[in-house]
This record gives sequence, C-alpha cells and structure tokens, in this order.
Amino acid sequence: EAQVTQNPRYLITVTGKKLTVTCSQNMNHEYMSWYRQDPGLGLRQIYYSMNVEATDKGDVPEGYKVSRKEKRNFPLILESPSPNQTSLYFCASSSPSVPNNEQFFGPGTRLTVL
Amino acid sequence: GEDVEQSLFLSVREGDSSVINCTYTDSSSTYLYWYKQEPGAGLQLLTYIFSNMDMKQDQRLTVLLNKKDKHLSLRIADTQTGDSAIYFCAETLSGGYNKLIFGAGTRLAVHP
Repeated sequence: EAQVTQNPRYLITVTGKKLTVTCSQNMNHEYMSWYRQDPGLGLRQIYYSMNVEATDKGDVPEGYKVSRKEKRNFPLILESPSPNQTSLYFCASSSPSVPNNEQFFGPGTRLTVL
Repeated sequence: GEDVEQSLFLSVREGDSSVINCTYTDSSSTYLYWYKQEPGAGLQLLTYIFSNMDMKQDQRLTVLLNKKDKHLSLRIADTQTGDSAIYFCAETLSGGYNKLIFGAGTRLAVHP
C-alpha cells in the first residue's frame, strides 16, 4: 500500500531534550515536506526537500533541522525543544509525475513539550 | 504575498447543503484543493480544481472557482454526520510541488 508513515504518533517530552520524528514514504517520491498544524493557523511548512541531500527552509524553520540522506526518509529533528513547538506535525511527499501536484500526507505526530 | 482565508466554523442540519468558502490572494495559483481532516486523523484530499476551470463536480461535492474574485467554494450536498470534520482550502503555485499554502480550516458540525 502506498503510504507515508510517521513515528512516533504521540510524544510528550520536556524542554531541551533532543528528539527526532521519523517520516518514510514508499512511493519513490522526490519531494518531501514537514508541516506543523496549529489552531486558527492551518498548516505551515517547516522544511522541504526536493531530493536526496537537497533541503530548504519553509515558512517556519526556526528550532528545527532536517536531513535527506535517503530518498524514502525525511526525519525532523528538534535539537532543543521548547513549549512553543507543541503542535501537530505532518510529513508529506509528492512528485512531478503525480497528477494535479497532489501531496500525500502521513497520519501526523502530536508533540507536547512541557 | 501568499494568503488563504476561510471562516472557522459552519453548522448545518443533516440533509441540508453545506457551503464552505475560501479566498486566496496569489493569482499564480495552479491547483486549488480541499482537504478533509477527521478528528484524530491526517489529511485526506477531498477534491481539487485546476486554475483554468470554473467548476468541478464529484458526486456530492461541487467546487466553484471565481478567478476574478479569487474565491473558491466547496458545496456538499445532502450533508451527513460523517461529513463532520475540518475542511482545509489550499493552493499550490506554479511549479510548487514542494509547498501547499493552507487556510486555517473550517470546522463543519452536522447536527440532526
């Protein structure tokens, strides 16, 4: 089944404790993105990647890092999480070969930083 | 700049039609989308429309696009309780395979 998977689905952590949220897609897509969803703000792009070893900042990149060492994986790293990073995070993937520019979303990771 | 706006709440009676509205600012939008998010779930692409179209119908869903006013709407006919969700309007720009610009989402509540 074609899908985007994220782990963990839920995470509660404390300020300053480094964490990584993994994202993997099995559709051989070139493009991958991370978004965060906050009430009243919709989804905002954090980082995106056009292909392996090609990443760039989205609209809200502060406090986050990403890497793209393999085509299928795009982990999101919070080196020193803070409470304002409490949010719902979505990974997405797409490809120029996909009709209508559709992006495929993972199930989401709900992060709470205390 | 890029901006997508939509009202935050809509309440309808079961069996009635729902109309969710959205406005966008960037005239270079190529595709406009409606995503559905059910409680505790991810985003599901509901429908989309290419920017050179005025209307698209897909079973109970009708999308209307007014490019002059930069206005997009989603009509759900015969709304059911299973349609209760948050609906996001989103746009992608020319060559924008990497980025969707979302509205804040409209929470649709369907009551008997």
